[in-house]
Formats: sequence, structure tokens, C-alpha cells
Amino acid sequence: EAQVTQNPRYLITVTGKKLTVTCSQNMNHEYMSWYRQDPGLGLRQIYYSMNVEVTDKGDVPEGYKVSRKEKRNFPLILESPSPNQTSLYFCASSSPLAGEPQYFGPGTRLLVL
Amino acid sequence: QKEVEQDPGPLSVPEGAIVSLNCTYSNSAFQYFMWYRQYSRKGPELLMYTYSSGNKEDGRFTAQVDKSSKYISLFIRDSQPSDSATYLCAMFRTPQKLVFGQGTRLTINP
Repeated sequence: EAQVTQNPRYLITVTGKKLTVTCSQNMNHEYMSWYRQDPGLGLRQIYYSMNVEVTDKGDVPEGYKVSRKEKRNFPLILESPSPNQTSLYFCASSSPLAGEPQYFGPGTRLLVL
Repeated sequence: QKEVEQDPGPLSVPEGAIVSLNCTYSNSAFQYFMWYRQYSRKGPELLMYTYSSGNKEDGRFTAQVDKSSKYISLFIRDSQPSDSATYLCAMFRTPQKLVFGQGTRLTINP
């Protein structure tokens, strides 16, 4: 089954404790992206990657890091989480062709205390 | 001002009604317009995808794009309780950057 998976699905942590949210896709997609979803603000792009070792900032990159060492994986790293990073996070992937729709993972709900 | 404006609702209608969901956008460079459906505690799933102005129909769903007015719509005919979800419009600012509306929460009452 073609899918995007994320782990963990739920995470409670404390301010300053580094964490990583993993994302993996089995569709051989070059393009991958991370979003956060907040009430009243909708989905906002954090970072995206056009291919292995190629990443770029989205609209809200502050406080986040990403890496793309393998085509299928695109982890999101919060080196020093803060309460304002409490949110619902989604990973997405697509082919790199212009206008190709993105396919989303199930989401990771993060609470930073 | 948000690049993409979408009425967040909530919108509640009786089963069988025709539902109209709308988004406006400010940047004429936006293209490739999509509607996603998001059930509670799930990721968004692609519902409809259009490129040019005009209508596209898929079963009970019709997507409409008016580039001259910078306005897109999603119509749901014969709405069902299973259509209850949040509907998100989305469009590409550039080939790499997808911009979303806030989402409209829709409830179909049996």
C-alpha cells in the first residue's frame, strides 16, 4: 500500500529536550515536505526537500532542522523545543513535477511543556 | 492579509443538501488548485485537483476555478454524514510551495 508514515503519532516532551519525528514514504517520491497545523492558521510549510541532500526553508522554519540522507526518509528535528512548537505536524510527499499533488502522513501531535 | 482566505465555519447542513465551500486568493501567480478532505485525527487526503478555470466533476463533487476573480469553490451534492470533515483548499505559490486555506469544518446532520 502506497503511504507516508510518521512516528511517533503522539509525543509529550519538555522544553529544551531534543526530539526527532521520523517520516518515511514508499512511493519513490523525490519531493518531501513538513507542515504544522494550528487552529486558525491552517497548514504552514516548515521545510521541504526536492531530492536527497537538497532541502530548503518553507514559511515557518525557525526552530526546526531537517535532513535528507535517503530518498524515502525525511526526519524533522527540534533541537531545543519550546512551547510555541506545540502543534500537529504532517509530512507529505509527491513527485517533483510542477503541480503534482502532495500525499500526507497521518500526523504527529506534539505537546511541549 | 492571508494569501488564501477560507471561511473556517463551522458549517452545519442537513443530509441531502448541496454544500458550497469557497476560497479566495490574492496572488495571480497561484496555480494548480486542490481540495483536501481531513477527517478528525487524520492527515489531509486529496479530494479534487484542477489546473485551469472551469469546472471539474467527480461523482458528487464539483470543483470550480475562476482565475479572473481569484476564487475557487467545491460543491458537494446529495451530502452524506460521511462527508462531515474539514475541507482545505490549497494551491501552489511555486512548484515547490503549497499554500493552504484555514479549512472549513463541515457537519452533515442525518
